[in-house]
Amino acid sequence: GESVGLHLPTLSVQEGDNSIINCAYSNSASDYFIWYKQESGKGPQFIIDIRSNMDKRQGQRVTVLLNKTVKHLSLQIAATQPGDSAVYFCAETRGDDKIIFGKGTRLHILP
Amino acid sequence: DTGVSQDPRHKITKRGQNVTFRCDPISEHNRLYWYRQTLGQGPEFLTYFQNEAQLEKSRLLSDRFSAERPKGSFSTLEIQRTEQGDSAMYLCASSFSGRDGELFFGEGSRLTVL
Repeated sequence: GESVGLHLPTLSVQEGDNSIINCAYSNSASDYFIWYKQESGKGPQFIIDIRSNMDKRQGQRVTVLLNKTVKHLSLQIAATQPGDSAVYFCAETRGDDKIIFGKGTRLHILP
Repeated sequence: DTGVSQDPRHKITKRGQNVTFRCDPISEHNRLYWYRQTLGQGPEFLTYFQNEAQLEKSRLLSDRFSAERPKGSFSTLEIQRTEQGDSAMYLCASSFSGRDGELFFGEGSRLTVL
């Protein structure tokens, strides 16, 4: 089916530590994956994307890892800051332009 | 502000009334998307346009929902005969074709149906 889900609904991380947010997808035809961040009261904001022909992509303080064998996607945030507090969504497409979002993980930053 | 703007930001209506939301995308973007989001859930795809053409409409969208983008710029989403289950945040996003995953979202229009 078109299921894009997440392992954990909430994640608490100490400020300065690294955060890892996980996502499982079920459709092996998915070929493009995206991570979005949504702060309270705002629309989602694009963070980083990865195509299925890659297994790793790095941005500024963020890294996305893709394991197609187990249909698993993760977002790593280095040196987590208070401004990283938000809900994070993984999303997927399957060659069309319809982007399907998962349920989200809320990231709490502990002082 | 050159981002995606949505209007109104909040709408409270009685069941059975019609409501219309407007979205003004980033001017250079040719793709425009509508999503619906309820509390604790991810955005749910409703429909999208490339220029003025509506390319796909979710099967979840009943006949009470209609969207238009008449000149390939702004778009409207109308809900007729609203029901309490329509209460949600309606999000609009725009993008360049070819940058498929990088959607730029507006802040949404929150609908409350009493």
